[in-house]
Amino acid sequence: TQLLEQSPQFLSIQEGENLTVYCNSSSVFSSLQWYRQEPGEGPVLLVTVVTGGEVKKLKRLTFQFGDARKDSSLHITAAQTGDTGLYLCAGDDTGTASKLTFGTGTRLQVTL
Amino acid sequence: DAGITQSPRHKVTETGTPVTLRCHQTENHRYMYWYRQDPGHGLRLIHYSYGVKDTDKGEVSDGYSVSRSKTEDFLLTLESATSSQTSVYFCATASSQGSTNEKLFFGSGTQLSVL
Repeated sequence: TQLLEQSPQFLSIQEGENLTVYCNSSSVFSSLQWYRQEPGEGPVLLVTVVTGGEVKKLKRLTFQFGDARKDSSLHITAAQTGDTGLYLCAGDDTGTASKLTFGTGTRLQVTL
Repeated sequence: DAGITQSPRHKVTETGTPVTLRCHQTENHRYMYWYRQDPGHGLRLIHYSYGVKDTDKGEVSDGYSVSRSKTEDFLLTLESATSSQTSVYFCATASSQGSTNEKLFFGSGTQLSVL
């Protein structure tokens, strides 16, 4: 089973600050997804990255896939309280969702 | 968003009793999945289905069985619940299985406590 390590595990910041969350593995993935999960709800897909070095932007969120396709990062600019939640990365190396490996998550709290 | 309903949302049961969790979807998605979420472990796949009556084991399938008699329903059964099965269970669906097009839609989860 492939392992996906996320760091930091917990992050508490004030509104307006910037932050970066990391997702690392020793394995190569054909694609990597980022999800956000709010309390009492299921994860919601934010983005899928598939090409080494790829950068995708979703408003204030910037996602990058490592050149070697073993790691990824999520950068949030000017965090807002609505960004609060659990951020999960999930890697796939077979092209099938049944083989998705989820990271343990980064819990982000943004306060006023 | 896909209409995925999990029932019950919360359940407390005793060790040794059978428990069935239900996932109902209204999107006619072919693929359905059951995950469990535990602190320090992320989401782990229990079982999945790639069509009616077609199911397969995931990473943590021991102690669990599933059934899918209709496209819209996917049942997860704990034949004899144990305390180690206390967890939050999520159902997910997908219309396709190619990773670049894949989007998993998750239900809101079932909090199961086995005492």
